[in-house]
Amino acid sequence: KAGVTQTPRYLIKTRGQQVTLSCSPISGHRSVSWYQQTPGQGLQFLFEYFSETQRNKGNFPGRFSGRQFSNSRSEMNVSTLELGDSALYLCASSLDGASTEAFFGQGTRLTVV
Amino acid sequence: AQRVTQPEKLLSVFKGAPVELKCNYSYSGSPELFWYVQYSRQRLQLLLRHISRESIKGFTADLNKGETSFHLKKPFAQEEDSAMYYCALNQAGTALIFGKGTTLSVSS
Repeated sequence: KAGVTQTPRYLIKTRGQQVTLSCSPISGHRSVSWYQQTPGQGLQFLFEYFSETQRNKGNFPGRFSGRQFSNSRSEMNVSTLELGDSALYLCASSLDGASTEAFFGQGTRLTVV
Repeated sequence: AQRVTQPEKLLSVFKGAPVELKCNYSYSGSPELFWYVQYSRQRLQLLLRHISRESIKGFTADLNKGETSFHLKKPFAQEEDSAMYYCALNQAGTALIFGKGTTLSVSS
């Protein structure tokens, strides 16, 4: 079966701009979660969606938001980009949350200049 | 606060040597813990979870609630075990709290 697909793979944006990242989960998976990965902080949880509802949110500013569609595809948006937002953003899908195996995408590398 | 600590950034061993990757956690309640692994140029993937109590690729991990630890062990390391290993804690059934990871380097 097809894995988790994230688009785009690479992005370069300017400070102050906004960006939207997309994640297509494995077919049948209803939970999608997002993580930010940086060399200094490692993998940090952003938020999790299940059946179009946000069930959990990490400790990130309100500039980070997301949504999930009825087909389980998810998007995350970052507004008013800052240099510190440069990171690898990973999406993971699972059947119904963190108690089931999470399958990760290859990530979107965001660079803010 | 819920937290996962992996004290070693890098662990270098020779092929055939035993391996122990350390993981300690802080969690109020009954924890559910995982080990995820990322091989070079591959995606992050599940290696094992404590509730399954199985051995994957020769690796085992035992949850020690008294010491709040979930160390990953393998008796004889192989070169193909070289990878980045992350310990993770299930938070509220919806999020994984990751440690900062340990790079395992196995040389011949």
